[in-house]
Amino acid sequence: NAGVTQTPKFRILKIGQSMTLQCTQDMNHNYMYWYRQDPGMGLKLIYYSVGAGITDKGEVPNGYNVSRSTTEDFPLRLELAAPSQTSVYFCASSYTPGVGYEQYFGPGTRLTVT
Amino acid sequence: AQTVTQSQPEMSVQEAETVTLSCTYDTSESDYYLFWYKQPPSRQMILVIRQEAYKQQNATENRFSVNFQKAAKSFSLKISDSQLGDAAMYFCAYRSALETGANSKLTFGKGITLSVRP
Repeated sequence: NAGVTQTPKFRILKIGQSMTLQCTQDMNHNYMYWYRQDPGMGLKLIYYSVGAGITDKGEVPNGYNVSRSTTEDFPLRLELAAPSQTSVYFCASSYTPGVGYEQYFGPGTRLTVT
Repeated sequence: AQTVTQSQPEMSVQEAETVTLSCTYDTSESDYYLFWYKQPPSRQMILVIRQEAYKQQNATENRFSVNFQKAAKSFSLKISDSQLGDAAMYFCAYRSALETGANSKLTFGKGITLSVRP
């Protein structure tokens, strides 16, 4: 198993540009999450999904969108990049709560918006 | 809402010595999970150890063990025989055992940077 993979590893965007961060997992997990990690801080939840076709907002969803057309993929889209979105982004996945509780993380994407 | 507090931003330990990283949390729930994650310079989040709140026995994984004090809402990580490869940022995290949806998320502390002196 590759686990959770994310692309790209690094990206620099100009203000107002758009991009999609890709996330794929091969563990057949129902739940998938997007977190952001700001310098000196823990991770905060942006969006999550409980299964294909079902997504919902987390703590800090403004400026982002997600989709979940398959169990494996959970892309995160930034429509109009702003400097406040400079952060490290982590995708994670897990089994349905109650079946298992560990979250498996991807390697992260470092995004800089200038 | 649950909160996780790691009040020590940095710690240092001599190689082969033992170090304890502190974590406190606040919750009104009785059933939950606690985790310690390691984040080395590669940024990969690596699960170090987990504790189920209903278990009284402290979790142990090789050189890593926890001191779980449920009444005090304290969850410290002890690293024995510290190695250079233990140098990393360590995050304490909480997850409700009862909730689904967004409440199944992990709530993280701010992390502590551990350096290991050779």
